[in-house]
Amino acid sequence: QITLKESGPSLVKPTQTLTLTCTFSGFSLSNNGEGVGWFRQPRGKALEWLALIFWDDDKWYGPVLKRRLTISKDTSRNQVVLTVFNMDPVDTGTYYCMHRDGFHNGKSWNDAFDVWGQGTVVTVSS
Amino acid sequence: SSELTQDPAVSVALGQTVRITCQGDSLTKYSVSWYQQLPGQAPSLVIHGRYNRPSGIPGRFSGSSSGNMASLTITGAQAEDEADYYCNSRDNSGKLVIFGGGTKLTVL
Repeated sequence: QITLKESGPSLVKPTQTLTLTCTFSGFSLSNNGEGVGWFRQPRGKALEWLALIFWDDDKWYGPVLKRRLTISKDTSRNQVVLTVFNMDPVDTGTYYCMHRDGFHNGKSWNDAFDVWGQGTVVTVSS
Repeated sequence: SSELTQDPAVSVALGQTVRITCQGDSLTKYSVSWYQQLPGQAPSLVIHGRYNRPSGIPGRFSGSSSGNMASLTITGAQAEDEADYYCNSRDNSGKLVIFGGGTKLTVL
C-alpha cells in the first residue's frame, strides 16, 4: 500500500525559503518508472502542478513557480524535498505530494497521480 | 505548450447522468486521468488514463476520449458525488504536466 505524507512549516514570512518534505512508503523511487510530484492549491482555487521527480533523477518544473523551485530526492530515506525560494503571500495554500504512475498508451508516456498525501497548509505572512 | 479546458460548473439531478468534459490539443496524443476533490479533502484519482476505474471507485464513474476531448461520465449521480473534478494530461511537448481548471459538480 502506497502512502505519502507532507511535512514542513505552516507559517513562513515573505521572502523566506519554504522547505517541504514528502515522506512515502510502499514503493521505491529507485525503481524504473516511479515518480513523485508536488501540487499546490490556493484556497478556493484550482490545482497547480509544481514539480515532478522521476526514478532516474529527471526533474520537471511547472510554469507557475519554475524559477523559484527545486525538487530533490533521498532514495534511502524515501523522501522527496520541495524548496520554494522567496515566498510571497500569494503562495499561501495547501501543498500536496503524490505518487506518479507512469504508463504508455501506444503513442506516448503518460502520468496518473494515483495516491495523494493529505496535504499541508502553508501560510505566508509577516 | 497547451492547456486543458473544463466547464467551471455543471449540475445534475439526483440519479441522472452527467458528463464532464476536458478539451485540449494534446489529448490526441496523451491520455487523461480524472480526479475528484470532495469539500475539504485532498484530490483522489477516480479515472486512470490506462485502466479506467481504480479499485474502490464505484461503477457509475467512467472515462472516455475522442479526438481532443475527454469525458468523465457519472451514470446515476449520487449526492456524495458533489465535488470538484479535475482532468490531467501532458502538454504538446510531453514535458509538462497540465491540469484543467476544474469543474464544480452540483447534484440537485
